[in-house]
Amino acid sequence: AQSVTQLGSHVSVSEGALVLLRCNYSSSVPPYLFWYVQYPNQGLQLLLKYTSAATLVKGINGFEAEFKKSETSFHLTKPSAHMSDAAEYFCAVSGGYNFNKFYFGSGTKLNVKP
Amino acid sequence: DVKVTQSSRYLVKRTGEKVFLECVQDMDHENMFWYRQDPGLGLRLIYFSYDVKMKEKGDIPEGYSVSREKKERFSLILESASTNQTSMYLCASSTPRQRAYTFGSGTRLTVV
Repeated sequence: AQSVTQLGSHVSVSEGALVLLRCNYSSSVPPYLFWYVQYPNQGLQLLLKYTSAATLVKGINGFEAEFKKSETSFHLTKPSAHMSDAAEYFCAVSGGYNFNKFYFGSGTKLNVKP
Repeated sequence: DVKVTQSSRYLVKRTGEKVFLECVQDMDHENMFWYRQDPGLGLRLIYFSYDVKMKEKGDIPEGYSVSREKKERFSLILESASTNQTSMYLCASSTPRQRAYTFGSGTRLTVV
């Protein structure tokens, strides 16, 4: 079975500061891992995905995430926050016999202060 | 880019009504999904479908049904709407080669 835990339902950073959003997963098989972003009143947009290639994955808008098997983590980072990064971020995992079924974390709302 | 279109952005329905939420995708994706999103609970899978006329229950199917008569369309049906079904409903599609979902913009349903 697969599951995802996102630590911190709300994270607040200053503009220009490092963004770190935490995601830990549980999977009995090699996982596929994803980060999605949701802006207010919109659907979810794919930021990046890990599919067993390079452990450091680069996504859109300057975000990246590192797959650490030993820590079962897939934390999302961005070196310098921008006001437009304010949104809700979801980590998701898929795997097992059904790679098409995703399990989502509960989400982290990122607030960026001027 | 694949597009997933949900027919309504906002809906207000009365308790006991039968409600249809429609989702259409335009890239010939095999897989389609319905999720509901609630604050603090993230996204929870209601139903999904791998092919026309095929459907499988997700984690919270109670009170819902689905229909997939054509590959591009996946409908979510609330047989008798209740206030606890007030939520944001998100449709998604994917193909096995893609290994990522594409989401629609969501339908915010309020049941009064």
